[in-house]
Amino acid sequence: SQQGEEDPQALSIQEGENATMNCSYKTSINNLQWYRQNSGRGLVHLILIRSNEREKHSGRLRVTLDTSKKSSSLLITASRAADTASYFCATDGSGAGSYQLTFGKGTKLSVIP
Amino acid sequence: DAGVIQSPRHEVTEMGQEVTLRCKPISGHNSLFWYRQTMMRGLELLIYFNNNVPIDDSGMPEDRFSAKMPNASFSTLKIQPSEPRDSAVYFCASSFRINEKLFFGSGTQLSVL
Repeated sequence: SQQGEEDPQALSIQEGENATMNCSYKTSINNLQWYRQNSGRGLVHLILIRSNEREKHSGRLRVTLDTSKKSSSLLITASRAADTASYFCATDGSGAGSYQLTFGKGTKLSVIP
Repeated sequence: DAGVIQSPRHEVTEMGQEVTLRCKPISGHNSLFWYRQTMMRGLELLIYFNNNVPIDDSGMPEDRFSAKMPNASFSTLKIQPSEPRDSAVYFCASSFRINEKLFFGSGTQLSVL
């Protein structure tokens, strides 16, 4: 089954800096989604980008999608301590079983005040 | 809406005991998912319901695991008998339609001693 793989596994930055996380996947998709998980909590949806879109913005978040390279990136600009969390990409499939959202292992982001 | 509600929040039990996890999805959502999260394997999809009907239970690890959705507002995941390797955080998630964003509950932290 396809799976998003995030890179890096962990990232530590100073408050105010930008944070970039990458995701690679293996097969064709309909959508790619990014989620955030604070320690001890459930995942929270951040942004969904469809396979025919190349870039999407939401507040301080910018997501890009390159279907030819089967990769996506999540950029958080002007990071804050409250952005400290794990970030996951999730991909569905474009054929049978496309309802299955498969999550990567995540990038653990630490924003130092 | 209160979001996806899971109970209990924490469960500690002894090996061999039956464990029942509960989930109330967001009203109006047609899709319900059960996920399990561990450090080793990340987030794994266990089972998916659409309109209360189990569509895919291929992720259920063993016959010891069973899930039901008797109506649109309630689902259970049962483990009988439980084993220490079942220790994990179990998440329930719902979505309005398939391939749309998921809303996660806060999870049930299960510890089997």
